[in-house]
Amino acid sequence: QSVLTQPPSVSGAPGQRVTISCTGSSSNIGAGYDVHWYQQVPGTAPKVVFFVKDNRPSGVSDRFSASKSGTSDSLAITGLQAEDEADYYCQSYDNSLSTWVFGGGTKLTVL
Amino acid sequence: QVQLQESGPGLVQPSQTLSLTCTVSGDSISSGGYYWSWIRQHPEKGLEWIGYIYYSGSTYYSPSLKSRVTISVDTSKTQFSLKLSSVTAADTAVYYCAHTRGLGSHFDYWGRGALVTVSS
Repeated sequence: QSVLTQPPSVSGAPGQRVTISCTGSSSNIGAGYDVHWYQQVPGTAPKVVFFVKDNRPSGVSDRFSASKSGTSDSLAITGLQAEDEADYYCQSYDNSLSTWVFGGGTKLTVL
Repeated sequence: QVQLQESGPGLVQPSQTLSLTCTVSGDSISSGGYYWSWIRQHPEKGLEWIGYIYYSGSTYYSPSLKSRVTISVDTSKTQFSLKLSSVTAADTAVYYCAHTRGLGSHFDYWGRGALVTVSS
């Protein structure tokens, strides 16, 4: 059972907008720790696509954005493209466990 | 640009000790205030943080694995290692080494991962 909760799967048609939620608690997201998002294509290492409050690594499309509300965070992907199909993970820090924590992952399918 | 590369046996027998090494290039483990971590991913599952070694040499481990984990750095400061003792099939996973700049930060550099299978 992951400390951060994500939906197992989401899907959308090309061009659409999808969101992936990440729900935590008062000891991680609710405590003010930043949430970071990773994209993982099967067989490869995770790659960060959004970090801290409003940052995308060089080379990551501005179609990716994130927003936070209380103990939850959400990754939004607009203008969905086939290349976006992957697993997505959220990550934060938990001060009661004193560890970095991940969500269970969400499989994005582009229809 | 920091680069990380995991290496070690791909097959470990049950009850034995899993040993992996992460070779760091593009930076020194002892420079800056960075954290050097091990993270694993069970087949078709999510990511699990195992532990870190800080640039100063201090370590911290996940409470769920603490009794079996040791992370150390070699004297050249270009490699750090993971040892996981008394392994079972539940420890079969892809093991990644990764770099982060702080407790609230993201993991910005990852190795390609090493699949370790626990089986007799």
